[in-house]
Amino acid sequence: DGGITQSPKYLFRKEGQNVTLSCEQNLNHDAMYWYRQDPGQGLRLIYYSQIVNDFQKGDIAEGYSVSREKKESFPLTVTSAQKNPTAFYLCASSPRGPGSGYEQYFGPGTRLTVT
Amino acid sequence: QKEVEQNSGPLSVPEGAIASLNCTYSDRGSQSFFWYRQYSGKSPELIMFIYSNGDKEDGRFTAQLNKASQYVSLLIRDSQPSDSATYLCAFNGGATNKLIFGTGTLLAVQP
Repeated sequence: DGGITQSPKYLFRKEGQNVTLSCEQNLNHDAMYWYRQDPGQGLRLIYYSQIVNDFQKGDIAEGYSVSREKKESFPLTVTSAQKNPTAFYLCASSPRGPGSGYEQYFGPGTRLTVT
Repeated sequence: QKEVEQNSGPLSVPEGAIASLNCTYSDRGSQSFFWYRQYSGKSPELIMFIYSNGDKEDGRFTAQLNKASQYVSLLIRDSQPSDSATYLCAFNGGATNKLIFGTGTLLAVQP
């Protein structure tokens, strides 16, 4: 089955620790995205990548880092510099890069809690 | 001015009725419009996309786009309790080449 997987589903960390969230897709999509969703709020774009070895900051990139070494994978690291890391993190992919108008498909999400 | 405006709801409709969800957007350069459904605690699921003015139908769902009025809507016919969810509209930000999401409208279908 084609799809987007995110792991783990739930993640608990202590304040001050870096944590990496996994996102893998087997849809052969070029573009991948990371969003954050807080209760009662919309989706906010953290980072996106249109092609392997290239990525751009979204609207709230501070305190986060990404890599895109393989087409299938787009891991997100939440660093200790992120002031409010507790949130629901969503990874998405799209057949083409931004600007083509192509739809985005979401993974199941990772719920991160930092105490 | 917010880029995407959606009534947060909740919008309550009886089972079998038509649910009408609305969204306005600010970027006149937008070309693509999307509706996502998000159940509580789950990730968004794409249910409709529309690129041209007019209506697009898919089963019980109809998306309507009016670019002149910068307005997109989603109609759900024969609403079912399983349609109860938050519906997010999104558009392709022409200038930024990213999807811009609304905060969503909570739909509650009453049995």
